[in-house]
Amino acid sequence: QQQVKQSPQSLIVQKGGIPIINCAYENTAFDYFPWYQQFPGKGPALLIAIRPDVSEKKEGRFTISFNKSAKQFSLHIMDSQPGDSATYFCAASWGYGKLTFGQGTILTVHP
Amino acid sequence: NAGVTQTPKFQVLKTGQSMTLQCAQDMNHEYMSWYRQDPGMGLRLIHYSVGAGITDQGEVPNGYNVSRSTTEDFPLRLLSAAPSQTSVYFCASRTSRGQETQYFGPGTRLLVL
Repeated sequence: QQQVKQSPQSLIVQKGGIPIINCAYENTAFDYFPWYQQFPGKGPALLIAIRPDVSEKKEGRFTISFNKSAKQFSLHIMDSQPGDSATYFCAASWGYGKLTFGQGTILTVHP
Repeated sequence: NAGVTQTPKFQVLKTGQSMTLQCAQDMNHEYMSWYRQDPGMGLRLIHYSVGAGITDQGEVPNGYNVSRSTTEDFPLRLLSAAPSQTSVYFCASRTSRGQETQYFGPGTRLLVL
């Protein structure tokens, strides 16, 4: 199965809150798990990524937690800001740069 | 570097018309891909290429054709447009080395009437 399931579809938090977005996959051949951020009218941009042999990766306010046995991974955004309001996609890579994307989460951070 | 560029930004077609979406990158990337983005469905892979002269189908290839005669360019052709092809199309590229960042273009918004 090439699917990646993402939840929730939308998320609203107050400034300073910690939104969490979850993804699950089935295909154990996936070897790289990036998160993309997309602003309206723009293409997706890589935010942070993790390999399956690592359980956690942190870059600035963004953290990926990865549970290989459960085939799940999540994005945490610490101290969220209104500028973080965007659509977030999880993805999984399966060779030659091909990506399977989750359905996307629309994040709104209120001031 | 201009990165990944796409033209046109927006296009309206009538059912049955054909057109080519252009994609170019100036980063000498071997891998290039086309995705379509539809509400609630994320991005889905249409076609991809691992180098000049080499292309293959992705998840949703029907109704689309690609070719790659140079490293820089990867056009996507709609042979006979259908309303179901109304979408936002993104081209992406990355190097073949390791798990490097995949760069996306700004997208082409296509409306098929």
